Amino acid sequence: AQSVTQPDIHITVSEGASLELRCNYSYGATPYLFWYVQSPGQGLQLLLKYFSGDTLVQGIKGFEAEFKRSQSSFNLRKPSVHWSDAAEYFCAVGPPSATNKLIFGTGTLLAVQP
Amino acid sequence: GAVVSQHPSRVICKSGTSVKIECRSLDFQATTMFWYRQFPKQSLMLMATSNEGSKATYEQGVEKDKFLINHASLTLSTLTVTSAHPEDSSFYICSARVPRGVGTGELFFGEGSRLTVL
Repeated sequence: AQSVTQPDIHITVSEGASLELRCNYSYGATPYLFWYVQSPGQGLQLLLKYFSGDTLVQGIKGFEAEFKRSQSSFNLRKPSVHWSDAAEYFCAVGPPSATNKLIFGTGTLLAVQP
Repeated sequence: GAVVSQHPSRVICKSGTSVKIECRSLDFQATTMFWYRQFPKQSLMLMATSNEGSKATYEQGVEKDKFLINHASLTLSTLTVTSAHPEDSSFYICSARVPRGVGTGELFFGEGSRLTVL
């Protein structure tokens, strides 16, 4: 079955500290992989995506993610967290098709303390 | 990037009434749009896939007669919650996929619409 697992429901980090949000997926073929961020009461904003090629992808706001096929993972990282990064982060996977749907993880809520 | 806009962002209605939420792709044509529902502290759950000019495809467990979807043009899809009840209160988000010939086929999301049924 296709699924996305984000093991950490809630993470708190200090401002300036590094961050890693975990994402593991189960998929029958090579998926497209995404990370989205959702601020309270807002829609989702795409942080970055992986389709093919270099397995380390750079996104907006200083985020990056690394695709590891052997581990079925696509963890999101940031070297130094800012208070404005506090939000909910969703990992998603989907087929390389124009009409199919994405499967979302349950999200990780990030809190940033001063 | 591509822009998807939803309206209204917030709506409060009485139980038993119907509410329509619009989803527009502002700078591209979307043959397919998706409607999601998000419960508090949970992930997005796909409700249905909206196809321009044809019937929507609903996910298992989603009532077709309850959540009416119309995709009459390449830039507009509407979700109508009919005879709304308090349990329908939720955050509804739409998304649209930029056609592959125009972009990479990624999804862009609207801002979401928070429905509160009294």
